[in-house]
Amino acid sequence: DQQVKQNSPSLSVQEGRISILNCDYTNSMFDYFLWYKKYPAEGPTFLISISSIKDKNEDGRFTVFLNKSAKHLSLHIVPSQPGDSAVYFCAASLYGGSQGNLIFGKGTKLSVKP
Amino acid sequence: DAGVIQSPRHEVTEMGQEVTLRCKPISGHNSLFWYRQTMMRGLELLIYFNNNVPIDDSGMPEDRFSAKMPNASFSTLKIQPSEPRDSAVYFCASRGPGGEVPSYNEQFFGPGTRLTVL
Repeated sequence: DQQVKQNSPSLSVQEGRISILNCDYTNSMFDYFLWYKKYPAEGPTFLISISSIKDKNEDGRFTVFLNKSAKHLSLHIVPSQPGDSAVYFCAASLYGGSQGNLIFGKGTKLSVKP
Repeated sequence: DAGVIQSPRHEVTEMGQEVTLRCKPISGHNSLFWYRQTMMRGLELLIYFNNNVPIDDSGMPEDRFSAKMPNASFSTLKIQPSEPRDSAVYFCASRGPGGEVPSYNEQFFGPGTRLTVL
């Protein structure tokens, strides 16, 4: 049973518009969340993270929002660029990640069209 | 900075053969993770080591899978005998010993080994 779910396998957005990628989780004990980006034939690379004590974290064009009551987080990319086209994985961890184990969603493939 | 190094990048083998995947973590990192990515199951953790000691191997699918970390700079994931359903991309990741969040939590992934078992 998946503890981290990304229900949209794919998303297509026009360049310059906002991309919103969603992630739901079932374990209320998760206290740290990360987003990874993956290009074809490469390993995932860390993008942005958020602790459960916050509800928003921003880094340039990327913002992650956390709604603990809904067990939902989202990644906003504004403005979207063609280079953002990749698969985005949501991940969650316990104990601030100190136990090492990350639980990943299945990913959402983002396509940004020029 | 070489990053996490995995070899081989591609492996094609026949059912029943032994397969060994290799990983060199980033120097100074003390945690190492092996993941498997498939279309059906996404990215799933197989096993992770902390200071060369296996901490959690509950994700290892069967006894056919084994992993070792003989020293801080090398790990192997072995499948013996291999089966077609083992076909997947296998990733190795490493993480540093601590410091400012989020770098403490960030895992650095290698490029992966694409395994095809015929």
